[in-house]
Amino acid sequence: DVKVTQSSRYLVKRTGEKVFLECVQDMDHENMFWYRQDPGLGLRLIYFSYDVKMKEKGDIPEGYSVSREKKERFSLILESASTNQTSMYLCASSASSGAGSNSPLHFGNGTRLTVT
Amino acid sequence: AQSVTQLGSHVSVSEGALVLLRCNYSSSVPPYLFWYVQYPNQGLQLLLKYTSAATLVKGINGFEAEFKKSETSFHLTKPSAHMSDAAEYFCAVSDRSDYKLSFGAGTTVTVRA
Repeated sequence: DVKVTQSSRYLVKRTGEKVFLECVQDMDHENMFWYRQDPGLGLRLIYFSYDVKMKEKGDIPEGYSVSREKKERFSLILESASTNQTSMYLCASSASSGAGSNSPLHFGNGTRLTVT
Repeated sequence: AQSVTQLGSHVSVSEGALVLLRCNYSSSVPPYLFWYVQYPNQGLQLLLKYTSAATLVKGINGFEAEFKKSETSFHLTKPSAHMSDAAEYFCAVSDRSDYKLSFGAGTTVTVRA
């Protein structure tokens, strides 16, 4: 089974702090994604990466950046955390032979971030 | 960009009753369509997906969904609800030309004994 591991289940940070959320997958997947999940809004894509050192903005990239130095690891960075970034963050990965793939996403269990 | 609408943020059913969750997408070209389930304190897991083969797709745990192009719909059903089906369900659509998967707002299912 594919395993996507997010380093923290819960995080509490202060406004203005730099926050790192880490995600590791063990199935050699090309694609990795960061979503945030908020009640009534579903999942919204923040950033994704289809290869090492490649990144693409999703629908809500403002206030976030990402890093993918190794294939198995995809980090989400909040440069200066704000209270409106309090949310559940979900990492996912998928195998892909290119754009428009129907490969399903495999999700981690999420990191619930609270910014006070 | 693709969009997906799930009708009803909450659905309550009796154990043994039919579960019906509605999903409509916006696209002139049939996309790839997915249903995911999220149990409490867990990530999402795939229930089933439509990729342009059979229009009736069977998934795990007795769920199935029917793709109807004329209605741009992909509704999820299960004939007989079980207590373990209590979860949040998400419909998702993938454009065939990019990497993005767009999710609906989700429908929370509660099952009454």
